[in-house]
Amino acid sequence: GAVVSQHPSRVICKSGTSVKIECRSLDFQATTMFWYRQFPKQSLMLMATSNEGSKATYEQGVEKDKFLINHASLTLSTLTVTSAHPEDSSFYICSAWDSYQYFGPGTRLLVL
Amino acid sequence: KNEVEQSPQNLTAQEGEFITINCSYSVGISALHWLQQHPGGGIVSLFMLSSGKKKHGRLIATINIQEKHSSLHITASHPRDSAVYICAANSGGGADGLTFGKGTHLIIQP
Repeated sequence: GAVVSQHPSRVICKSGTSVKIECRSLDFQATTMFWYRQFPKQSLMLMATSNEGSKATYEQGVEKDKFLINHASLTLSTLTVTSAHPEDSSFYICSAWDSYQYFGPGTRLLVL
Repeated sequence: KNEVEQSPQNLTAQEGEFITINCSYSVGISALHWLQQHPGGGIVSLFMLSSGKKKHGRLIATINIQEKHSSLHITASHPRDSAVYICAANSGGGADGLTFGKGTHLIIQP
């Protein structure tokens, strides 16, 4: 079946730094990718929808200048958390659409 | 905005028991997903369905569009089935982000 990878799987960074998370569809092309966030003991929440070659669509309450999304090719979308703060610590999951949503394994971000 | 409710929130059962997890949603959908999340966090898609019933191994998913309700059943449950099961609603066309339920934390004891 279709595989979606994320890199890194886990990252620890200092407050104020920026962190880039990659989401790749390995064996299919995805015109649409999604970024979700999950805080401990809570459900996943959609952050943004990323379409190849156009600007991402952000959900209400998600700061587009803080969470930069780039979908430069049909197999790669990146999420950059700029000037990360401890409250950004979370589990970030991407999914890619190809007649079905295929989920990546997630990236656990810890901001100290 | 679709509201997705799951029940129960937590379920502990003995190995071999028949398990049912319920999901209801408030707005009509194009599809409903059942997902499995293990302690490490990774998510596996179990089913996507828009009508009727689907079966995969010991897992069965059903949906009633009129009642806006779906169920996930596990037959002959096993400790390796222990995980969080999440239903998610696709309210728009196919390539739309999902609205997730809070999940059901299932523990199967040997």
